[in-house]
Amino acid sequence: AQRVTQPEKLLSVFKGAPVELKCNYSYSGSPELFWYVQYSRQRLQLLLRHISRESIKGFTADLNKGETSFHLKKPFAQEEDSAKYYCALETSGSRLTFGEGTQLTVNP
Amino acid sequence: GAVVSQHPSRVICKSGTSVKIECRSLDFQATTMFWYRQFPKQSLMLMATSNEGSKATYEQGVEKDKFLINHASLTLSTLTVTSAHPEDSSFYICSARDPRRQSYEQYFGPGTRLTVT
Repeated sequence: AQRVTQPEKLLSVFKGAPVELKCNYSYSGSPELFWYVQYSRQRLQLLLRHISRESIKGFTADLNKGETSFHLKKPFAQEEDSAKYYCALETSGSRLTFGEGTQLTVNP
Repeated sequence: GAVVSQHPSRVICKSGTSVKIECRSLDFQATTMFWYRQFPKQSLMLMATSNEGSKATYEQGVEKDKFLINHASLTLSTLTVTSAHPEDSSFYICSARDPRRQSYEQYFGPGTRLTVT
């Protein structure tokens, strides 16, 4: 069965510092991976997906099939990045398996 | 952008009663919608895939007779929690993909907080 692991429940950094949110997955098929974000009192929304290889709000994520990882990175964190971040794996039928989530706090 | 709404936003019901939660795609038609459950401080767990005009597909371990899903139109899916018990208290979230868009993005509703007393 597929599984997504986010080892850090809480992550705190200072503004301007680099940030990396870890995500590891296990899946026998070809992985489709996403990062979703939930800002305070808002609904879950897509941040980025590995297929597009794009940078959104300064965040990037690279799929490493050898290490089965899809870590989310940003070189200079901003206060408005404070939110809960979920790594998600899409399997057949567009079904999503989510990790436990990492609550990121960016301190001034 | 694509918007998904849910109604009600929160509901309290007595043990043994049934409660219905609606999920609507407001500006697009969704042949498929998804229902998730989220316990406090935990992740979202997919419960079932709701298919317009056909039976829902339930994930392993989810009781289909307890969580009835109906997707009667291209913009509405409903989740009915039957004979609710306190352990069914949770946050229920739906999502849908907009077939007009090339993106793989799922659009999430704001969620429904169910409390069973």
